Amino acid sequence: GAVVSQHPSWVICKSGTSVKIECRSLDFQATTMFWYRQFPKQSLMLMATSNEGSKATYEQGVEKDKFLINHASLTLSTLTVTSAHPEDSSFYICSASAGGSSPDTQYFGPGTRLTVL
Amino acid sequence: AQSVTQLGSHVSVSEGALVLLRCNYSSSVPPYLFWYVQYPNQGLQLLLKYTTGATLVKGINGFEAEFKKSETSFHLTKPSAHMSDAAEYFCAVIISSNTGKLIFGQGTTLQVKP
Repeated sequence: GAVVSQHPSWVICKSGTSVKIECRSLDFQATTMFWYRQFPKQSLMLMATSNEGSKATYEQGVEKDKFLINHASLTLSTLTVTSAHPEDSSFYICSASAGGSSPDTQYFGPGTRLTVL
Repeated sequence: AQSVTQLGSHVSVSEGALVLLRCNYSSSVPPYLFWYVQYPNQGLQLLLKYTTGATLVKGINGFEAEFKKSETSFHLTKPSAHMSDAAEYFCAVIISSNTGKLIFGQGTTLQVKP
């Protein structure tokens, strides 16, 4: 159980285009989803937290107009990188938790490798 | 403020040897602690977690970790390393019981030599 998928697993796009990444919880309802960014040989950096049906909460320094997050249902969250540039190239990972009264475990997707040319 | 420090960005052991990956945390409230493993170009897989109760936590693939409050540590161990254990390991702490936000350590690369 507790499987999270991401699509696509990798994407290459031209500078200036927008890219959408999907994150789905396959066998549980995710009240909260998280989006991370990971540079090579580095740890994960939290970008934003999204709760179903409400606006995402962005971490300091993350441009919300550039990284659009939508959490339309309890099983789907999307991250759209708008007007992508080469510096946006990175490994994007989502995670999902079912929530509850106690801190819940985050289950991670396999990640999406974005390369902007 | 809560933080996580992993001592040693790179650990190398021989196959069959003990694996010890160190993690120390700072937290003003009781922490919830996690160890995740990441294989190349993949997401993170939960190895084990400590929330409350028994301080020695057993996880998957023969790993275990012990929560030591007096030492503010949560070191990960495995008695006998296997080649398939070679990966990146992250220690993490939840910084807010309400939001469930994780803060990660810098990661430790485990190399297993034949």
